[in-house]
Amino acid sequence: TQLLEQSPQFLSIQEGENLTVYCNSSSVFSSLQWYRQEPGEGPVLLVTVVTGGEVKKLKRLTFQFGDARKDSSLHITAAQPGDTGLYLCAGKIGSNDYKLSFGAGTTVTVRA
Amino acid sequence: EAGVAQSPRYKIIEKRQSVAFWCNPISGHATLYWYQQILGQGPKLLIQFQNNGVVDDSQLPKDRFSAERLKGVDSTLKIQPAKLEDSAVYLCASSFRGAGGHNEQFFGPGTRLTVL
Repeated sequence: TQLLEQSPQFLSIQEGENLTVYCNSSSVFSSLQWYRQEPGEGPVLLVTVVTGGEVKKLKRLTFQFGDARKDSSLHITAAQPGDTGLYLCAGKIGSNDYKLSFGAGTTVTVRA
Repeated sequence: EAGVAQSPRYKIIEKRQSVAFWCNPISGHATLYWYQQILGQGPKLLIQFQNNGVVDDSQLPKDRFSAERLKGVDSTLKIQPAKLEDSAVYLCASSFRGAGGHNEQFFGPGTRLTVL
């Protein structure tokens, strides 16, 4: 069983549309990271959120960490074909625990 | 700066055969991780090294999987004998520090293993 549940599993949208993907858990995380993984490549870190309620923006991407530090969302505004990829969330439990628990990911396809 | 290097990129073997994967982390990164990513799932940590010592191998199937990092730099992961369910992408990652903090893990491109 996955510690982190991601939804939806797949998302296909037209260029210019907005999208939101979710990452939920019953566990509290000391921090949570979002990665993007393209086919044939390893995951690449997009952002780390640490504080409950925190919102971080990275160009057209907006990341939010839930107040209780159990959930997170990633919102992409005006999606572009280059945003296509597998979006993974990964949580760290405890301040001294190095181990990342990954969700199963959301596969996003942005059609031109 | 060179990234994490892995080889081979692809490997096809028959069940019960042996296979080895190699990883060279980013220079200066003390911590090295091996992950298994089965299709449709997120990466699962198999083993973590801090320099040449094992920090965590609790999810490594030790009856068939082994890993070493002899000089605290590059690492090999071996499967012997392979089973059909070992088909997956094996990712290597490295980070500057290990436990504590929010150190970024840098991933290699992975080795895609197919067991027939």
